[in-house]
Amino acid sequence: EAGVVQSPRYKIIEKKQPVAFWCNPISGHNTLYWYRQNLGQGPELLIRYENEEAVDDSQLPKDRFSAERLKGVDSTLKIQPAELGDSAVYLCASSAGQGYEKLFFGSGTQLSVL
Amino acid sequence: KQEVTQIPAALSVPEGENLVLNCSFTDSAIYNLQWFRQDPGKGLTSLLLIQSSQREQTSGRLNASLDKSSGRSTLYIAASQPGDSATYLCAPILTGGGNKLTFGTGTQLKVEL
Repeated sequence: EAGVVQSPRYKIIEKKQPVAFWCNPISGHNTLYWYRQNLGQGPELLIRYENEEAVDDSQLPKDRFSAERLKGVDSTLKIQPAELGDSAVYLCASSAGQGYEKLFFGSGTQLSVL
Repeated sequence: KQEVTQIPAALSVPEGENLVLNCSFTDSAIYNLQWFRQDPGKGLTSLLLIQSSQREQTSGRLNASLDKSSGRSTLYIAASQPGDSATYLCAPILTGGGNKLTFGTGTQLKVEL
Protein backbone atom coordinates (compact mmCIF):
# COMPACT_ATOMS: atom_id res chain seq x y z
CA GLU A 1 0.00 0.00 0.00
CA ALA A 2 1.34 3.41 -0.95
CA GLY A 3 2.02 5.82 1.87
CA VAL A 4 1.47 9.57 1.95
CA VAL A 5 3.07 11.07 -1.14
CA GLN A 6 4.42 14.61 -1.22
CA SER A 7 6.05 16.65 -3.95
CA PRO A 8 8.36 18.30 -4.61
CA ARG A 9 10.97 16.86 -2.29
CA TYR A 10 13.01 20.06 -2.26
CA LYS A 11 12.27 23.61 -3.34
CA ILE A 12 14.56 26.64 -3.45
CA ILE A 13 13.04 30.01 -4.23
CA GLU A 14 13.80 33.67 -3.77
CA LYS A 15 11.81 35.71 -1.28
CA LYS A 16 8.56 37.21 -2.53
CA GLN A 17 8.11 34.33 -5.00
CA PRO A 18 5.10 31.99 -4.76
CA VAL A 19 5.47 28.29 -3.99
CA ALA A 20 3.09 25.33 -3.81
CA PHE A 21 3.31 21.92 -2.21
CA TRP A 22 1.22 18.90 -3.11
CA CYS A 23 0.08 15.95 -1.01
CA ASN A 24 -1.71 12.70 -1.82
CA PRO A 25 -2.87 10.93 1.36
CA ILE A 26 -3.27 7.22 1.95
CA SER A 27 -6.30 5.90 0.08
CA GLY A 28 -9.40 6.00 2.24
CA HIS A 29 -7.98 8.42 4.81
CA ASN A 30 -10.46 11.24 5.19
CA THR A 31 -8.41 13.41 7.55
CA LEU A 32 -5.42 15.31 6.17
CA TYR A 33 -2.96 17.54 7.99
CA TRP A 34 -0.29 20.03 6.99
CA TYR A 35 2.52 20.56 9.49
CA ARG A 36 5.55 22.83 9.41
CA GLN A 37 8.80 21.74 11.04
CA ASN A 38 11.57 24.22 11.74
CA LEU A 39 15.11 22.96 12.19
CA GLY A 40 15.57 21.30 15.57
CA GLN A 41 11.90 21.59 16.48
CA GLY A 42 8.89 19.34 16.49
CA PRO A 43 6.23 19.76 13.80
CA GLU A 44 3.50 22.38 14.31
CA LEU A 45 0.04 22.03 12.82
CA LEU A 46 -0.92 24.50 10.11
CA ILE A 47 -4.27 23.11 8.98
CA ARG A 48 -6.41 19.98 9.36
CA TYR A 49 -9.03 18.79 6.89
CA GLU A 50 -11.86 16.36 7.40
CA ASN A 51 -12.81 15.45 3.84
CA GLU A 52 -13.04 18.78 1.99
CA GLU A 53 -13.64 20.90 5.09
CA ALA A 54 -10.86 22.75 6.90
CA VAL A 55 -11.81 22.07 10.54
CA ASP A 56 -8.77 23.64 12.17
CA ASP A 57 -6.82 26.40 10.44
CA SER A 58 -6.19 28.51 13.51
CA GLN A 59 -2.40 28.39 13.06
CA LEU A 60 -2.33 29.03 9.33
CA PRO A 61 -0.92 32.51 8.52
CA LYS A 62 -3.79 33.46 6.29
CA ASP A 63 -2.23 36.62 4.92
CA ARG A 64 0.19 34.58 2.83
CA PHE A 65 -0.72 30.90 3.20
CA SER A 66 -3.65 29.13 1.58
CA ALA A 67 -4.65 25.51 1.26
CA GLU A 68 -7.25 23.51 -0.53
CA ARG A 69 -8.43 19.92 -0.64
CA LEU A 70 -10.67 19.51 -3.62
CA LYS A 71 -12.85 16.39 -3.69
CA GLY A 72 -11.52 15.41 -0.28
CA VAL A 73 -8.43 13.61 -1.59
CA ASP A 74 -5.32 15.50 -2.76
CA SER A 75 -4.33 18.74 -1.11
CA THR A 76 -2.22 21.74 -2.06
CA LEU A 77 -0.57 24.21 0.30
CA LYS A 78 0.50 27.55 -1.16
CA ILE A 79 2.63 30.42 0.08
CA GLN A 80 2.46 33.77 -1.68
CA PRO A 81 4.69 35.70 -1.28
CA ALA A 82 7.33 33.62 0.51
CA GLU A 83 9.47 35.18 3.22
CA LEU A 84 12.87 34.16 4.56
CA GLY A 85 11.25 32.86 7.75
CA ASP A 86 9.17 30.38 5.77
CA SER A 87 12.21 28.16 5.25
CA ALA A 88 11.27 24.86 6.88
CA VAL A 89 10.11 21.33 6.12
CA TYR A 90 6.42 21.10 5.23
CA LEU A 91 4.93 17.76 6.20
CA CYS A 92 1.65 16.26 5.13
CA ALA A 93 -0.04 13.54 7.18
CA SER A 94 -3.26 11.57 7.00
CA SER A 95 -5.37 9.43 9.31
CA ALA A 96 -8.28 7.09 8.83
CA GLY A 97 -10.85 8.67 11.11
CA GLN A 98 -11.77 12.07 12.44
CA GLY A 99 -9.61 12.02 15.50
CA TYR A 100 -7.36 10.12 17.85
CA GLU A 101 -5.94 7.63 15.38
CA LYS A 102 -2.39 7.02 14.26
CA LEU A 103 -1.03 9.59 11.87
CA PHE A 104 0.93 8.60 8.79
CA PHE A 105 3.40 11.18 7.47
CA GLY A 106 4.87 11.84 4.07
CA SER A 107 8.58 12.53 3.56
CA GLY A 108 8.03 16.27 3.47
CA THR A 109 9.04 19.16 1.25
CA GLN A 110 12.15 21.04 2.32
CA LEU A 111 11.72 24.71 1.43
CA SER A 112 14.61 27.15 1.30
CA VAL A 113 13.80 30.82 0.77
CA LEU A 114 16.82 32.90 -0.27
CA LYS B 1 -1.52 25.51 25.99
CA GLN B 2 0.11 22.10 26.10
CA GLU B 3 3.89 22.21 26.51
CA VAL B 4 5.92 19.08 25.79
CA THR B 5 9.50 18.59 26.96
CA GLN B 6 11.81 15.77 26.01
CA ILE B 7 14.94 14.86 27.90
CA PRO B 8 17.69 14.32 26.99
CA ALA B 9 17.92 16.40 23.82
CA ALA B 10 20.66 14.13 22.51
CA LEU B 11 22.01 10.75 23.52
CA SER B 12 24.90 8.63 22.30
CA VAL B 13 25.21 5.02 23.45
CA PRO B 14 27.16 1.91 22.44
CA GLU B 15 25.32 -0.87 20.66
CA GLY B 16 23.48 -3.28 22.92
CA GLU B 17 22.58 -0.84 25.68
CA ASN B 18 19.07 -0.52 27.04
CA LEU B 19 17.95 3.09 27.14
CA VAL B 20 15.10 5.31 28.26
CA LEU B 21 13.80 8.45 26.59
CA ASN B 22 11.67 10.81 28.64
CA CYS B 23 8.70 12.96 27.73
CA SER B 24 6.77 15.31 30.01
CA PHE B 25 3.68 17.36 29.27
CA THR B 26 1.96 20.12 31.20
CA ASP B 27 -1.73 19.30 30.57
CA SER B 28 -2.63 15.82 31.78
CA ALA B 29 -6.11 15.82 30.20
CA ILE B 30 -4.88 13.77 27.28
CA TYR B 31 -6.72 11.23 25.15
CA ASN B 32 -3.63 9.37 23.99
CA LEU B 33 0.06 9.83 23.29
CA GLN B 34 2.10 8.78 20.29
CA TRP B 35 5.81 8.15 19.95
CA PHE B 36 7.34 8.83 16.55
CA ARG B 37 10.68 8.21 14.94
CA GLN B 38 12.19 10.62 12.42
CA ASP B 39 15.21 9.76 10.28
CA PRO B 40 17.29 12.63 8.81
CA GLY B 41 15.52 14.25 5.88
CA LYS B 42 12.48 12.03 6.27
CA GLY B 43 8.98 12.25 7.61
CA LEU B 44 7.77 10.79 10.89
CA THR B 45 6.94 7.15 11.51
CA SER B 46 4.48 6.29 14.26
CA LEU B 47 6.03 3.74 16.63
CA LEU B 48 3.51 3.35 19.41
CA LEU B 49 0.15 4.84 20.35
CA ILE B 50 -0.76 4.53 24.01
CA GLN B 51 -4.27 5.33 25.17
CA SER B 52 -4.83 7.38 28.32
CA SER B 53 -6.42 4.34 29.97
CA GLN B 54 -3.32 2.22 29.31
CA ARG B 55 -0.14 2.09 31.33
CA GLU B 56 2.07 0.44 28.75
CA GLN B 57 2.28 -0.44 25.07
CA THR B 58 4.88 -2.73 23.53
CA SER B 59 6.15 -3.34 20.02
CA GLY B 60 9.18 -5.55 19.58
CA ARG B 61 12.12 -4.00 21.45
CA LEU B 62 10.13 -0.86 22.21
CA ASN B 63 8.04 -0.28 25.29
CA ALA B 64 6.17 2.95 26.04
CA SER B 65 4.74 3.74 29.44
CA LEU B 66 2.33 6.47 30.40
CA ASP B 67 1.69 8.11 33.77
CA LYS B 68 -1.09 10.48 32.86
CA SER B 69 -1.55 12.00 36.32
CA SER B 70 2.08 13.09 36.55
CA GLY B 71 2.28 14.13 32.91
CA ARG B 72 5.04 11.72 31.93
CA SER B 73 5.76 9.10 29.33
CA THR B 74 8.87 7.06 28.71
CA LEU B 75 10.07 5.13 25.70
CA TYR B 76 12.27 2.15 26.56
CA ILE B 77 14.48 0.69 23.83
CA ALA B 78 15.99 -2.69 24.60
CA ALA B 79 19.27 -3.94 23.15
CA SER B 80 19.84 -0.86 21.01
CA GLN B 81 21.18 -1.23 17.47
CA PRO B 82 22.84 1.25 15.06
CA GLY B 83 19.63 1.17 13.02
CA ASP B 84 17.82 2.74 15.98
CA SER B 85 19.76 5.98 15.40
CA ALA B 86 17.15 8.66 14.73
CA THR B 87 15.23 11.44 16.44
CA TYR B 88 12.39 10.28 18.67
CA LEU B 89 9.42 12.58 19.28
CA CYS B 90 6.48 12.24 21.61
CA ALA B 91 3.11 13.85 20.92
CA PRO B 92 0.14 13.84 23.30
CA ILE B 93 -3.38 14.65 22.15
CA LEU B 94 -5.64 16.62 24.47
CA THR B 95 -9.12 15.30 25.15
CA GLY B 96 -11.40 17.12 22.74
CA GLY B 97 -8.34 18.13 20.75
CA GLY B 98 -9.55 16.50 17.54
CA ASN B 99 -6.28 14.68 16.86
CA LYS B 100 -4.25 17.84 17.22
CA LEU B 101 -0.88 16.56 18.34
CA THR B 102 1.54 18.74 20.26
CA PHE B 103 5.08 17.61 19.56
CA GLY B 104 8.13 17.82 21.76
CA THR B 105 11.46 18.89 20.28
CA GLY B 106 12.68 15.31 20.29
CA THR B 107 15.62 13.24 21.51
CA GLN B 108 18.36 12.69 18.94
CA LEU B 109 19.70 9.17 19.47
CA LYS B 110 22.96 7.80 18.10
CA VAL B 111 23.83 4.14 18.64
CA GLU B 112 27.46 3.42 17.92
CA LEU B 113 29.11 0.16 16.93
